[in-house]
Amino acid sequence: QKEVEQDPGPLSVPEGAIVSLNCTYSNSAFQYFMWYRQYSRKGPELLMYTYSSGNKEDGRFTAQVDKSSKYISLFIRDSQPSDSATYLCAMRNYGQNFVFGPGTRLSVLP
Amino acid sequence: DSGVTQTPKHLITATGQRVTLRCSPRSGDLSVYWYQQSLDQGLQFLIQYYNGEERAKGNILERFSAQQFPDLHSELNLSSLELGDSALYFCASSVEGLAEDTQYFGPGTRLTVL
Repeated sequence: QKEVEQDPGPLSVPEGAIVSLNCTYSNSAFQYFMWYRQYSRKGPELLMYTYSSGNKEDGRFTAQVDKSSKYISLFIRDSQPSDSATYLCAMRNYGQNFVFGPGTRLSVLP
Repeated sequence: DSGVTQTPKHLITATGQRVTLRCSPRSGDLSVYWYQQSLDQGLQFLIQYYNGEERAKGNILERFSAQQFPDLHSELNLSSLELGDSALYFCASSVEGLAEDTQYFGPGTRLTVL
């Protein structure tokens, strides 16, 4: 079993839809949880960062962390064609390595 | 533009050769990270430096080595290259290299080993 699992997609949705992206993990020591967006042939860029369990909202993006279930989610409201990218979850415990999920490729169709 | 620069953008070389990838962190960032991204392995953390010292090590092969110089730029050296080393290599930087720090990624170096 991989340390971090993520539905690889691709996921295609119409413009304006609510998108739900999810990751599960096995290491209960993870404390820091991140979502990155990666456009084709570009470096990942940080979208959301959450420490421990809880929700965090930033504009159209909401990140949720449920440590009891070892499950994290990213919701995108009113999705736009410019949101089309690969979304990577990442997590880390202090002093340990960063572990990234394999990524979910999202296409938002106009 | 994240402020992290990487050179070269593309590199094509042959098996058995050695290459050096270079990274300049954002102004003010003391920590540098190296990652390898391939289609079958995803984004893999290789190694982290903080102010010239190695801080964390991930899935870095013995054929690979890295260092961070006093001016804070970093180099990743890949030797005895194999076909499977073909990948995108990303550098990222953060202010203090703490787990809660935001990492800013560079545009990457695409390495092709023929």
